Amino acid sequence: EAGVAQSPRYKIIEKRQSVAFWCNPISGHATLYWYQQILGQGPKLLIQFQNNGVVDDSQLPKDRFSAERLKGVDSTLKIQPAKLEDSAVYLCASRKGRGGTSSQETQYFGPGTRLLVL
Amino acid sequence: QQQVKQSPQSLIVQKGGISIINCAYENTAFDYFPWYQQFPGKGPALLIAIRPDVSEKKEGRFTISFNKSAKQFSLHIMDSQPGDSATYFCAASKKTSGSRLTFGEGTQLTVNP
Repeated sequence: EAGVAQSPRYKIIEKRQSVAFWCNPISGHATLYWYQQILGQGPKLLIQFQNNGVVDDSQLPKDRFSAERLKGVDSTLKIQPAKLEDSAVYLCASRKGRGGTSSQETQYFGPGTRLLVL
Repeated sequence: QQQVKQSPQSLIVQKGGISIINCAYENTAFDYFPWYQQFPGKGPALLIAIRPDVSEKKEGRFTISFNKSAKQFSLHIMDSQPGDSATYFCAASKKTSGSRLTFGEGTQLTVNP
């Protein structure tokens, strides 16, 4: 089974520029998450999708961040305009379903996109 | 209410020793407690997880101990190996919030040969 795919793996931009990240979850996984991981910290949730609907975007800085999940499969996360403090690794994760079994509960993470804002 | 606090920040053990990482949570509504392992340049990967209806879960060299009354849980790595050197994150989630994970700050484990 293929894992969660993310691209690009690395991105360097200057502040005030825009950037977009792409995620392809594991096939059949209904739930998709975007996390931000600042160096030396644990991942923090930005947004959660269930199929193509937003479940939780309470921690997404909506003045500069946006995300969408097309047809309930791939997702893109965009930052416009970027700030220095947005330098981080952006992780995408997916989960199979809403059930309570262990296999349905597990979140599988992609390798992340490392963003450096200069 | 949503915090998960993890300690220590870093840990150095000798090969064959026991590594112990501790976490404490505040929100009693949490109902799922996973531990993730992350190697440099990789995403976190699930190591082992526990639900609050059991006090201990063991998988190979990895054991979670869970104390519901104290709102604490810990990861024990027996016979630690150099290949275990990584960053470990505890986390917690609850079904009513879509099972989003709240992570601890991480522990960087180094196992010396």
